[in-house]
Amino acid sequence: DTGVSQNPRHKITKRGQNVTFRCDPISEHNRLYWYRQTLGQGPEFLTYFQNEAQLEKSRLLSDRFSAERPKGSFSTLEIQRTEQGDSAMYLCASSDSQRNEQYFGPGTRLTVT
Amino acid sequence: AQSVSQHNHHVILSEAASLELGCNYSYGGTVNLFWYVQYPGQHLQLLLKYFSGDPLVKGIKGFEAEFIKSKFSFNLRKPSVQWSDTAEYFCALLGDTGNQFYFGTGTSLTVIP
Repeated sequence: DTGVSQNPRHKITKRGQNVTFRCDPISEHNRLYWYRQTLGQGPEFLTYFQNEAQLEKSRLLSDRFSAERPKGSFSTLEIQRTEQGDSAMYLCASSDSQRNEQYFGPGTRLTVT
Repeated sequence: AQSVSQHNHHVILSEAASLELGCNYSYGGTVNLFWYVQYPGQHLQLLLKYFSGDPLVKGIKGFEAEFIKSKFSFNLRKPSVQWSDTAEYFCALLGDTGNQFYFGTGTSLTVIP
């Protein structure tokens, strides 16, 4: 399967702990996106990379959130000092420069207790 | 500011019934519009997209959508639904940076056999 993959699929953590999620995009895609989805809502944009450069960040992305894509391939999203309000599904998507079609991964479901 | 509204939150239909899901957007410029589907336990998948040209676009699995610029709408249709169409459907607008998707809140479709 050459789709977008995300790990872990589920993460349960205690409030105040740090968590890190990984996204592996489709190999030929140079664009990578992170979204957050809560119950009953559509995905909300968090941040966007073109190759290794982080070109756009949402105002939703507090300073506890940081994302990297060091070699322009996989990406990590870290949440520091997690809060219960961070509980959500975190989605990753990728696309190429020519076609504005984003392909989504299965997501990482975060539960903060 | 860009936004997408889906007014039907939950739709229940019998098999073979016709489907129309509403999507309205707010944006004054050139739009790229998408419908994504999320089947139970699966990730978001692209159903169809509109970039330009013919306002009636056809997607996978017999779905189609019509872009009506004067109404700021992009409604999804299918003439005869099947039980396997039970899923969550999301309308999305590609923002003016070309990088950020704005999603609606989604419509949950249940098809009764």
